[in-house]
Amino acid sequence: AQTVTQSQPEMSVQEAETVTLSCTYDTSESDYYLFWYKQPPSRQMILVIRQEAYKQQNATENRFSVNFQKAAKSFSLKISDSQLGDAAMYFCAYRRINAGNMLTFGGGTRLMVKP
Amino acid sequence: DAGVTQSPTHLIKTRGQQVTLRCSPISGHKSVSWYQQVLGQGPQFIFQYYEKEERGRGNFPDRFSARQFPNYSSELNVNALLLGDSALYLCASSLGSNTEAFFGQGTRLTVV
Repeated sequence: AQTVTQSQPEMSVQEAETVTLSCTYDTSESDYYLFWYKQPPSRQMILVIRQEAYKQQNATENRFSVNFQKAAKSFSLKISDSQLGDAAMYFCAYRRINAGNMLTFGGGTRLMVKP
Repeated sequence: DAGVTQSPTHLIKTRGQQVTLRCSPISGHKSVSWYQQVLGQGPQFIFQYYEKEERGRGNFPDRFSARQFPNYSSELNVNALLLGDSALYLCASSLGSNTEAFFGQGTRLTVV
């Protein structure tokens, strides 16, 4: 079974600074998807960024980028120029190819942004 | 366009009771998935339905059941409620069975 681990329960960053959230996963599959979701107090899970395992290039979405290390089974999220609105719970998630929307989530990291 | 809508927003039930949670997907989306998120944890997959058929089931007891209607809306039913069923229940919809999931704001269920 696949597992996703987020070892940082809480992280704090100063506004305008950069922060990196860590995620490791365990799988025997060679192809799969990885995701970072943001969950603000409104409770709605919002997709931040997605990475296909067969792509060597790290995904980037504006201020958000990932460092995908397939051999190490590591998938970290870097947030540049942090904003107050980035404060939320962040979840790393894994999905097998052709597994529908069966996402396996990590335990989450609470990100606090200090003004 | 309306996003994924879930009802009710909050719900309080007594142990042993039954509950039905409802989800309306984004217009045009044919797949609905359900997740349980216990406080302080990440969501756990319960079910996925696509074109009214069950396409996946997580490690949950038979007290949990779901169905999808012809208009692609969905209901999640939980029988014989336990205190441990207290959680945020999230619904997600997607165009196809393997495409990006969009989440609703969830139903907060409290079992007392």
